[in-house]
Amino acid sequence: ETGVTQSPTHLIKTRGQQVTLRCSSQSGHNTVSWYQQALGQGPQFIFQYYREEENGRGNFPPRFSGLQFPNYSSELNVNALELDDSALYLCASSWKTGEGNTIYFGEGSWLTVV
Amino acid sequence: AQTVTQSQPEMSVQEAETVTLSCTYDTSENNYYLFWYKQPPSRQMILVIRQEAYKQQNATENRFSVNFQKAAKSFSLKISDSQLGDTAMYFCAFMIGGGADGLTFGKGTHLIIQP
Repeated sequence: ETGVTQSPTHLIKTRGQQVTLRCSSQSGHNTVSWYQQALGQGPQFIFQYYREEENGRGNFPPRFSGLQFPNYSSELNVNALELDDSALYLCASSWKTGEGNTIYFGEGSWLTVV
Repeated sequence: AQTVTQSQPEMSVQEAETVTLSCTYDTSENNYYLFWYKQPPSRQMILVIRQEAYKQQNATENRFSVNFQKAAKSFSLKISDSQLGDTAMYFCAFMIGGGADGLTFGKGTHLIIQP
């Protein structure tokens, strides 16, 4: 158990819809990052939040957005869903960004876009 | 941009054998960190081992050890006395010091431990 919890576990959405995924970070962790893992691939970095501010972003379009709340939990929002957005979305938390601090992952949210 | 390459899509060994998973990376940075993560069928990423680039000594965690060759940009994982529970996807990952670019992962190696 890493202490990082994600919801929902599985969901199915229709192309063009919007989705919100949620993550509770491990206690004491102030940094949350999100990754997209397509089937058969390694995870790809979407973005990272540190103390409620986005401080890093991967190569994802603006329709991928997020929030981090004062309790350091986080949301990932995806607008105008496309079929290629079907993937496992992983949330990860750590204490402070950088410094090679151990990053703990949740079990992920499976998103299927039909 | 950083890249991580894992050239072995799948490996299979007998229980109790030693296995080495390969990883190479490309970067122009000097301050960075390297990781091996294990992803079992439950899909949760579990940290196996980490290495700071500024440390010459190879990291070791029980049955897991790395061979870090900085000049060659190589970071292989050795698993000794392999166990059935080691069966999983293994991902090599890279992070620049500062961490704002997140982890860059390879495509993974599916390791199967046969009884």
